[in-house]
Amino acid sequence: GAGVSQSPRYKVTKRGQDVALRCDPISGHVSLYWYRQALGQGPEFLTYFNYEAQQDKSGLPNDRFSAERPEGSISTLTIQRTEQRDSAMYRCASSLGSGQRGERQYFGPGTRLTVT
Amino acid sequence: QQPVQSPQAVILREGEDAVINCSSSKALYSVHWYRQKHGEAPVFLMILLKGGEQKGHDKISASFNEKKQQSSLYLTASQLSYSGTYFCGTVGDDYKLSFGAGTTVTVRA
Repeated sequence: GAGVSQSPRYKVTKRGQDVALRCDPISGHVSLYWYRQALGQGPEFLTYFNYEAQQDKSGLPNDRFSAERPEGSISTLTIQRTEQRDSAMYRCASSLGSGQRGERQYFGPGTRLTVT
Repeated sequence: QQPVQSPQAVILREGEDAVINCSSSKALYSVHWYRQKHGEAPVFLMILLKGGEQKGHDKISASFNEKKQQSSLYLTASQLSYSGTYFCGTVGDDYKLSFGAGTTVTVRA
């Protein structure tokens, strides 16, 4: 009955390093979403999975960002060669169904990424 | 495309009412409302589907005018626990949830 969990909760990395952010959705949830939230702003869509299939990655800022969900459950968002502008809160959300337009999304606590 | 929320911030005394507006430039299928407290994840309040429905959640209710592509969130007889940032999220022809910049609500005793 746990909610969406994310790890690590905080990550400080040096510019140029790669980071991997993990999301564990609510058990049985089909859809998984990644968002980025800047301070004082709403979450910004990055990418979306339906089971293991990445349905849309149009929100990923550039090719340094990638995501996978190989077994249709846990997902990893990877940022290669991090830059200071990548610093933000990265949030994951999941929903029960296949991402229908009227479906509630459950948000995780987020990973605060700081690139120094 | 990101919906526009207004006002950006509102300060209330306990028991007062407030309205938060959300408007979009695209045709909408649904509007989602979330509340986020400082340092926490956004918490779901309600979803409104096209059809002009109105929903309630305790003393928090919302309406959705599909033709005007607008939604309003009504905080009635506000309580201290209502403080936080309220986000509207809109969904159009795709499934993507686009969030507004948020409205910060502060309720004072």
